Amino acid sequence: DAGITQSPRHKVTETGTPVTLRCHQTENHRYMYWYRQDPGHGLRLIHYSYGVKDTDKGEVSDGYSVSRSKTEDFLLTLESATSSQTSVYFCAISAGAEAFFGQGTRLTVV
Amino acid sequence: RKEVEQDPGPFNVPEGATVAFNCTYSNSASQSFFWYRQDCRKEPKLLMSVYSSGNEDGRFTAQLNRASQYISLLIRDSKLSDSATYLCVVIVNNAGNMLTFGGGTRLMVKP
Repeated sequence: DAGITQSPRHKVTETGTPVTLRCHQTENHRYMYWYRQDPGHGLRLIHYSYGVKDTDKGEVSDGYSVSRSKTEDFLLTLESATSSQTSVYFCAISAGAEAFFGQGTRLTVV
Repeated sequence: RKEVEQDPGPFNVPEGATVAFNCTYSNSASQSFFWYRQDCRKEPKLLMSVYSSGNEDGRFTAQLNRASQYISLLIRDSKLSDSATYLCVVIVNNAGNMLTFGGGTRLMVKP
């Protein structure tokens, strides 16, 4: 299995609080992605990164920010969590073709 | 219109049946294509790449039709263990290698 881990795996948080999810890779892959997955919507791209300090928005980036200060770490921050951000979040890495996914973070905003 | 579209299903088929899924993509500059499999509450995993000439891996056959901008996945002799969601993935290489996923097609194989 590719060396990609997400933390935490599960989190329950209150509306209005900031939340940070971490994606860590040991593969030195250039590209890293954050997706959310909701019933009826499939996987939707939030943000992605193509190198240290190089990031760009995906299709559902509102309310989220990201940072990549090291090749191995890609952080996703919910500035002020809302109930609509309750979802399963997947991080992925790729070096061009095949993508490898983390095991997902189940986030519940109450 | 979504960039990558799939019929969400579910496709309910009996064991041993042959089933096929299509996936259409809108960007003619798309260059790489894949099928991923996702089991319930798990992360997606690569099932197979899709090559221009078509390719086969055991009971699975993937094909690409560039003229009509779709890819297909054929599963022969369906097994109960094939029950999962199948995701179509497209890479437009001039878009920073960004992966674009279809919404997935759910397959349920029944005894």
